[in-house]
Amino acid sequence: AQRVTQPEKLLSVFKGAPVELKCNYSYSGSPELFWYVQYSRQRLQLLLRHISRESIKGFTADLNKGETSFHLKKPFAQEEDSAMYYCALLNNNAGNMLTFGGGTRLMVKP
Amino acid sequence: KAGVTQTPRYLIKTRGQQVTLSCSPISGHRSVSWYQQTPGQGLQFLFEYFSETQRNKGNFPGRFSGRQFSNSRSEMNVSTLELGDSALYLCASSLISGSGIEQFFGPGTRLTVL
Repeated sequence: AQRVTQPEKLLSVFKGAPVELKCNYSYSGSPELFWYVQYSRQRLQLLLRHISRESIKGFTADLNKGETSFHLKKPFAQEEDSAMYYCALLNNNAGNMLTFGGGTRLMVKP
Repeated sequence: KAGVTQTPRYLIKTRGQQVTLSCSPISGHRSVSWYQQTPGQGLQFLFEYFSETQRNKGNFPGRFSGRQFSNSRSEMNVSTLELGDSALYLCASSLISGSGIEQFFGPGTRLTVL
């Protein structure tokens, strides 16, 4: 069975500090991973996916198959980065089913 | 393009009643997925519909059902409501592009069961 784990429920950093939100997964096939973000009072939206290897709003994430991880990183946190972040794994052998981690709330203090 | 829309946005029901939630995907998207979001269990996959056929189903009891219409709009139904069904129900429509699959989420329907 596939599983996504985000070990930290809350991460609090000061503005300008580096940020790393951890995500570990278990999946028997070739994983397709995503990070979604939910700002206060807004809908869940895609932040980035490992396939496109892009950087969005200064965030990057590298898939490490050896460690089965997909940690989200940003070198300098901004106050507007405060939000809920969800790591998600796509099971594309069964349609478009996403398995989400429990989420990490990032708080960036001024 | 308009985003994914869900109606109603808020709903209050009592135990034993049934409820129907509606989702309109982004124009041209043929896949619609439903998720339940609760503080305790987080985001959990309910089911996915593609071209009016259920393609996958999560681990939920048979009280949870859905359907999709020819215009890709989807409804989900919960019968014999229980207190534990109180949650935010999210709908997502999917686009397959050269960059892979992307799911676009609606604002959700918040269901409260009293």
